[in-house]
Amino acid sequence: DAMVIQNPRYQVTQFGKPVTLSCSQTLNHNVMYWYQQKSSQAPKLLFHYYDKDFNNEADTPDNFQSRRPNTSFCFLDIRSPGLGDAAMYLCATSRGLQGANQPQHFGDGTRLSIL
Amino acid sequence: SQQGEEDPQALSIQEGENATMNCSYKTSINNLQWYRQNSGRGLVHLILIRSNEREKHSGRLRVTLDTSKKSSSLLITASRAADTASYFCATDAMTTDSWGKFQFGAGTQVVVTP
Repeated sequence: DAMVIQNPRYQVTQFGKPVTLSCSQTLNHNVMYWYQQKSSQAPKLLFHYYDKDFNNEADTPDNFQSRRPNTSFCFLDIRSPGLGDAAMYLCATSRGLQGANQPQHFGDGTRLSIL
Repeated sequence: SQQGEEDPQALSIQEGENATMNCSYKTSINNLQWYRQNSGRGLVHLILIRSNEREKHSGRLRVTLDTSKKSSSLLITASRAADTASYFCATDAMTTDSWGKFQFGAGTQVVVTP
């Protein structure tokens, strides 16, 4: 089945130690999103790619970076994780942007813990 | 600031009852979508309603949209224990500064007890 896959499901890292979360998709969607979701809160958009065009949210910390080497894969890099970065990180894809009237397809997320 | 605000924050009902939750938003939209999230999982798309539509059905789900009031409601009929989840509305806003982005509400946590 076509889907969005996030690895790993659970990630534990140390304070300040770089960590990379990965997302792959078999839907061939041109847009990929990264969200941060803290407990009982709405998903918060960090950035998204339209094909290779990167769009960063104004309030996304510089500590968060992303790479999209090809259509299928997208990575979230956290350069120096702080305790406040502990959260669920969700990857999503969609077929188009504003006005395209398309849903987003989410992976099951990576739960990041910081020691 | 969040585009969508949901009400109530939490809802507890018994199996067989209906569950209704509401979403209000601030700016003009292309469409509004509802998603479900089971504990510890990703979001699952339920229904998309376009700005020129007023009501949409999918199985036991009924969504209404009132663009004059900038509000939407999600009704789950004959609820089941498996409907226990958080439900989020998301808006695809029409403003240029929201290009390519959906705005999610804070969600309604629904608990259905057998």
